[in-house]
Amino acid sequence: SSELTQDPAVSVAVGQTVRITCQGDSLRIYYATWYQQKPGQAPVLVIYGKRSRPSGIPDRFSGSSSGNTTSLTITGAQAEDEADYYCSSRDISGNYLVFGGGTKLTV
Amino acid sequence: EVQLVESGGGLVKPGGSLRLSCAASGFTFSTYTMNWVRQAPGKGLEWVSSISSSSSYIYYADSLKGRFTISRDNAKNSLYLYINTLRAEDTAIYYCAREEVDDVFDLWGQGTMVTVSS
Repeated sequence: SSELTQDPAVSVAVGQTVRITCQGDSLRIYYATWYQQKPGQAPVLVIYGKRSRPSGIPDRFSGSSSGNTTSLTITGAQAEDEADYYCSSRDISGNYLVFGGGTKLTV
Repeated sequence: EVQLVESGGGLVKPGGSLRLSCAASGFTFSTYTMNWVRQAPGKGLEWVSSISSSSSYIYYADSLKGRFTISRDNAKNSLYLYINTLRAEDTAIYYCAREEVDDVFDLWGQGTMVTVSS
């Protein structure tokens, strides 16, 4: 079982805002990173650090955190945003990297 | 072009061994920590191992210690993962990933599939 907990599935209508969450005690200490993975493709980095976006990632993607929960928000979701989203961070010991179980986003 | 290309996957019998390779190009491979991440069919991502730029620091997922060995050859711009005593539960796509900053993987390969079956 993962030390980072994500909702298995979330849905949103095109143009609406959706928040995908990741919970874990280690998130009180460490930043989370978010990846997008479309079927048959490798993961792609979308958010890292406090709320940084790599070049090429649309600004409708944003990150935030509070307490033991970190969130990925898509403001104005598009059909092409339909994908699995994974958070990652350190485990509570700080020794290992762990991934959340993933959230399947349906747009 | 900046890219990572994995190879070496295939069908292996339980108890067998395999060496996966990851060829890097388009960037200064020797300056980056590199990682292996795997994904079982229909499942989520699982971090496997990391190796620092000069191979000074090597880490493995706790559940995988002992059967997996990560290494690199900076002269050949290559990353490796040796897996022995393969089990059915090792069946997965194995990705190599570049670590841009601490725990942030900004570049991934397309993955290589390992199937463990008799």
